[in-house]
Parts: sequence; structure tokens; C-alpha cells
Amino acid sequence: GAGVSQSPSNKVTEKGKDVELRCDPISGHTALYWYRQSLGQGLEFLIYFQGNSAPDKSGLPSDRFSAERTGGSVSTLTIQRTQQEDSAVYLCASSYLWGGTTDTQYFGPGTRLTVL
Amino acid sequence: AQTVTQSQPEMSVQEAETVTLSCTYDTSESDYYLFWYKQPPSRQMILVIRQEAYKQQNATENRFSVNFQKAAKSFSLKISDSQLGDAAMYFCAYRSAEGGSEKLVFGKGTKLTVNP
Repeated sequence: GAGVSQSPSNKVTEKGKDVELRCDPISGHTALYWYRQSLGQGLEFLIYFQGNSAPDKSGLPSDRFSAERTGGSVSTLTIQRTQQEDSAVYLCASSYLWGGTTDTQYFGPGTRLTVL
Repeated sequence: AQTVTQSQPEMSVQEAETVTLSCTYDTSESDYYLFWYKQPPSRQMILVIRQEAYKQQNATENRFSVNFQKAAKSFSLKISDSQLGDAAMYFCAYRSAEGGSEKLVFGKGTKLTVNP
């Protein structure tokens, strides 16, 4: 079946602008994650959604970052007033809830964000 | 907090030879999962192998196998009969199985080069 998809593949924006990144999880997967991959910080967890539960936002680096998940499926990560340090690859992953815990996370191809 | 350390930023191997990538982790938990992910230049993170901490038997997937030493908190990946397509970044990751956050904690990665 189809894997996790993300759009856009690449995004170039100017400092101070807002951006929205989209993630479509694998059909039937109830858990969705966002990670950020940058040269300096490696792979960092940002946020986690599981069904109707309150999201785990513990990895969001500032209040300029927010995410929502509509209808338990598609998710949008929004970065307001972008800064150059926000330049990174943003990865989305999804997994299936099984036996009370989530299974292996499957990743999308990522969105490369460049802030000029 | 859990940490994952990959002490080899880069490794190289001759085609058809065997290579071992190292990973150590730090945790106070007894129940967790460990993963190796592969990331080729396409950016897509691909699951290579997964190990449940409660299982003593080392996981194996075709040419890929792990050496899981729970007491030593070590989780190395062995790639046998290396192929050109194995060239990629390899990330070791930890996930708790004791409730709470479902996030993956990643190491910094090892860049594997396969020489023909």
C-alpha cells in the first residue's frame, strides 16, 4: 500500500514568513510523529499524535511551532515567523496502535525547508 | 533521559565483505525497543531491523543482524555480503516500552560507504 507522504518536498522561504508542511500517514495508522533533522542537532522529536488523545508537544522548540491533525489523519506542521535556524529536513512518521502500544514507525520522504 | 551514541561517524567496507556498526545507549528502563534505520541520499528513512529488549535472541533480517547486549547496553548492526545499495546513513534509535512518550531517540548516525 501507499506509504507516508509529505508535501512539499522542498520549501524555500524568507525569514519572518510562515510555512505549513503537510503529512499524510499510512491509512489505518493512528499514531503520527514529526521529527526535525538538521546538521547541528541530528534527528529530534517534535510532536506526537495518538488518536483522540492530547498530543505530546514536548519536543517543539518554541511557540512559533505548532501542529494539528485533522480527522485523525492528515497533519500540518506550522512554523510562524521562520528563522534561519529553522532550516532543516522535517520528517513525518506514522505507526499502528497494537496491543496498547505503537508499532514500528514508518517515515515519509521529508520536507527540506530552507529559510533565507 | 535516554541517550543513544554512535561512535563511528563514518565507516567503509568492500563490496561482499562484512561490516559492523556500533551503537550504545543509556537508559534506566528495562523494557524498550531498539531499531536500526537506513537513510539513503533520497532522505527516506527505511527500517532495517528491530529488537525488543525482553527478547534475548538477536534479531536477523536477511543479510542484517544485530548483536544485542542488554547488560552492556550495546546494540551493534552487522551487514554481511555488503552491496553497493547498502551505502547510506545508518541511525540507531531507542523507544521506551514503559508507557509515556512513544518518541524515537536517535543517535547521530554512521555514514557507510561501500567500495566496489
